[in-house]
Amino acid sequence: KNEVEQSPQNLTAQEGEFITINCSYSVGISALHWLQQHPGGGIVSLFMLSSGKKKHGRLIATINIQEKHSSLHITASHPRDSAVYICAAHYGGSQGNLIFGKGTKLSVKP
Amino acid sequence: GAGVSQSPSNKVTEKGKDVELRCDPISGHTALYWYRQSLGQGLEFLIYFQGNSAPDKSGLPSDRFSAERTGGSVSTLTIQRTQQEDSAVYLCASSFFETQYFGPGTRLLVL
Repeated sequence: KNEVEQSPQNLTAQEGEFITINCSYSVGISALHWLQQHPGGGIVSLFMLSSGKKKHGRLIATINIQEKHSSLHITASHPRDSAVYICAAHYGGSQGNLIFGKGTKLSVKP
Repeated sequence: GAGVSQSPSNKVTEKGKDVELRCDPISGHTALYWYRQSLGQGLEFLIYFQGNSAPDKSGLPSDRFSAERTGGSVSTLTIQRTQQEDSAVYLCASSFFETQYFGPGTRLLVL
């Protein structure tokens, strides 16, 4: 069964802390997404990656194909980073069929 | 606006009725996706359209669900004979290359 597991489920941090959210998947994938869901429900796509590392501002996403693992890092965290972070994996040939993790709820305190 | 739009934003219906949910993707985006998020649950893939190719319907939970995309643009998700377990937020996203742009969703409540 194709699965995507995220950890931790909930994370509370102080402003300025370095944050890591982990995602592991069960079998080979073609690509992995990181999404951010704001408290109001809106979803923003942060990264799509199939190898290596991508960086955008204070966000960094890495993927290790051999270990079937990806991480999302947030440097110098800020209260506005508070959101649910979701990883999702493309299994199989279709670029549509995404399997989603259950999300990590991040709360950054000032 | 330049983003993905969905309508209606909220829909309340009675069990057994049919509903239609609409998605207007970003102009020029060839790919369109439907997802749903049930209360307290994660996101779930429903269906994917890419250009003129046959859609990937592998995520549709039952034959009561169908979707079409007319002219490669607007898409409609139809749920026939709605059930209470269909209550969820239905999200649409479109993309041209890698990044998916999500709409605000339609919150469906089946009484």
